[in-house]
Amino acid sequence: GAVVSQHPSWVICKSGTSVKIECRSLDFQATTMFWYRQFPKQSLMLMATSNEGSKATYEQGVEKDKFLINHASLTLSTLTVTSAHPEDSSFYICSARWGGGGSYNEQFFGPGTRLTVL
Amino acid sequence: DAKTTQPPSMDCAEGRAANLPCNHSTISGNEYVYWYRQIHSQGPQYIIHGLKNNETNEMASLIITEDRKSSTLILPHATLRDTAVYYCIVRGPGNKLVFGAGTILRVKS
Repeated sequence: GAVVSQHPSWVICKSGTSVKIECRSLDFQATTMFWYRQFPKQSLMLMATSNEGSKATYEQGVEKDKFLINHASLTLSTLTVTSAHPEDSSFYICSARWGGGGSYNEQFFGPGTRLTVL
Repeated sequence: DAKTTQPPSMDCAEGRAANLPCNHSTISGNEYVYWYRQIHSQGPQYIIHGLKNNETNEMASLIITEDRKSSTLILPHATLRDTAVYYCIVRGPGNKLVFGAGTILRVKS
């Protein structure tokens, strides 16, 4: 299957700082990228959906000013957690899909980024 | 998108077939059934998807009932590396993948 990478794989930061996570599709052009968050022993929760060159669409309850998403190219999306606090500590996973709005294409997931806020 | 129901956990002996069921009684005509799995502390891995015909690939087989209200993912010869959480997801065209609780599959030697 297609490869999606994330960087960094883990990060520890101090409370109040901002952290940027990169997501790249390595061998295909990702028309749409998704960001998920997963707390321990829970399932993945979708945070937002972004299409290349457009503003991201956030799920209900997700603060768009806190979780800034940029999908500047067909192979790169970034998630910036601004003014991070301990409750933002989680496993952040990106996903990418090629194809347009009516696509049934499968989504491919990155390996995840473990964020720990002290 | 239609919701799915899966058993919370299942055990399987190594080398035997693992059959993971999924109910999706409210599935509509243009919705596909997708299966993903997540090994501990990794991102989900795509396994297979289908609409109404049975599908097979190098990883697994997907059997969808004729009325499409349920499906079964079959791992023909389970190994210890297949221990993971398996997610059955129903998705319409262009829609988002929404994850439920999934089934924890434990493959035991």
